[in-house]
Amino acid sequence: DTAVSQTPKYLVTQMGNDKSIKCEQNLGHDTMYWYKQDSKKFLKIMFSYNNKELIINETVPNRFSPKSPDKAHLNLHINSLELGDSAVYFCASSTRDRVYGYTFGSGTRLTVV
Amino acid sequence: LAKTTQPISMDSYEGQEVNITCSHNNIATNDYITWYQQFPSQGPRFIIQGYKTKVTNEVASLFIPADRKSSTLSLPRVSLSDTAVYYCLVGASGYSTLTFGKGTMLLVSP
Repeated sequence: DTAVSQTPKYLVTQMGNDKSIKCEQNLGHDTMYWYKQDSKKFLKIMFSYNNKELIINETVPNRFSPKSPDKAHLNLHINSLELGDSAVYFCASSTRDRVYGYTFGSGTRLTVV
Repeated sequence: LAKTTQPISMDSYEGQEVNITCSHNNIATNDYITWYQQFPSQGPRFIIQGYKTKVTNEVASLFIPADRKSSTLSLPRVSLSDTAVYYCLVGASGYSTLTFGKGTMLLVSP
């Protein structure tokens, strides 16, 4: 029973397409996040939601739009995909005080060709 | 957010104790120190978190000196499966997020 699950695990698509990545957590956490890990392995925060409310939006192109239908789900929609969007995207969740840190999903490897 | 500095890589052998030190000179009063482990093709996994002195769990120990400007993750008797990237993060609780640095690639050999 996976705590934080992302789908799909792999995504290969052409430039200009629109794609979505889904994330669900069954930990009862209030806060969810999207991180991007590039080819150099840097993990950068993109968005953070608390109880369906956007609380952090780092400098991310507005082609990226998170959607949180409820506090257990945080989906990421990407419009007009570019080559530079190729990366691994990680969803994570935590309690607000992060007593036990983040719980990450297994990642979605996005390849834009 | 406090910036962290870790060694890029470390090598060890099975059965040895490994200590990975992280520098965070501008840590703030309300910042916690958290360590994560990441295997290839997986998301980072929480290892341990502390504020000061020493914290120990079933996986590792975390040593934090009084000035809190550095911290050391100690892995007792490592095995091949401990080969991974280890990240040191510093940040406060609440809505602020933790910034991941470059991490330390630990390679454990037989």
